[in-house]
Amino acid sequence: RKEVEQDPGPFNVPEGATVAFNCTYSNSASQSFFWYRQDCRKEPKLLMSVYSSGNEDGRFTAQLNRASQYISLLIRDSKLSDSATYLCVVNRGTGGFKTIFGAGTRLFVKA
Amino acid sequence: DADVTQTPRNRITKTGKRIMLECSQTKGHDRMYWYRQDPGLGLRLIYYSFDVKDINKGEISDGYSVSRQAQAKFSLSLESAIPNQTALYFCATSDASGNYNEQFFGPGTRLTVL
Repeated sequence: RKEVEQDPGPFNVPEGATVAFNCTYSNSASQSFFWYRQDCRKEPKLLMSVYSSGNEDGRFTAQLNRASQYISLLIRDSKLSDSATYLCVVNRGTGGFKTIFGAGTRLFVKA
Repeated sequence: DADVTQTPRNRITKTGKRIMLECSQTKGHDRMYWYRQDPGLGLRLIYYSFDVKDINKGEISDGYSVSRQAQAKFSLSLESAIPNQTALYFCATSDASGNYNEQFFGPGTRLTVL
C-alpha cells in the first residue's frame, strides 16, 4: 500500500462545476500537508497548504481530517485553466526529511 | 529568468553511459533536492542536501550519486545508466526556516536510456 494515495482520475467536469479530490495517508505521524498543481509536462507548483481548521483561497478549499487520515481539495466554479494534475503532499517531519508525494489526480475541465 | 534551472532539458543515452544532470538556483535557498517522476508513481526523492557538502539519501538513491559543491548548484549523476532510469527528473529547492517549506521546482529533465 502506498503511503499517500490518490484517485488518479481523470475527473472530467464542465466549466462552472464543483469538484472534490480526496487523498489518504497511512502514517499517523504525518505533520504537514499540501496540495501542489502540475500542468502537463511542467514542474509542480504549490497550490495551498492544508491546516486542521481548513483553509480557503478563492475558489479552492482544503480540509484535513486527522482522525480518518485524509485531506481534501474542493474546487468551486471550475475554469478551463484548472485543468491539471493535483498532487497531495504529506510531510512526516520527524527523524529527518520525509516528504511523500501522491501520484496525483488528473482534472479536465471542459467548455 | 527562471529561479531554478536544469540542464539538459532532454537527453537520450545508451545503457552503461555516465550521465550528469545539472541544477542551478538563484533563490538563495540552502536546501536542494533531486526527484524522479514516473507515470502512476508520483515524485520520488533520490537525494537531498541541506547545505554545501551535506548529502542525504532519499527513497531511491541506488544507481545515483550527487554533488553539492556550491550553495547554488546540485548535480545528479547516473554512473552507468540503465533503461529503468528512464524518467522525468526534477530538481527542487526550499529555504531552511521551519520544519517544511514550499519547494520550488526546476522545469525538469526528460531522460531516456536505451
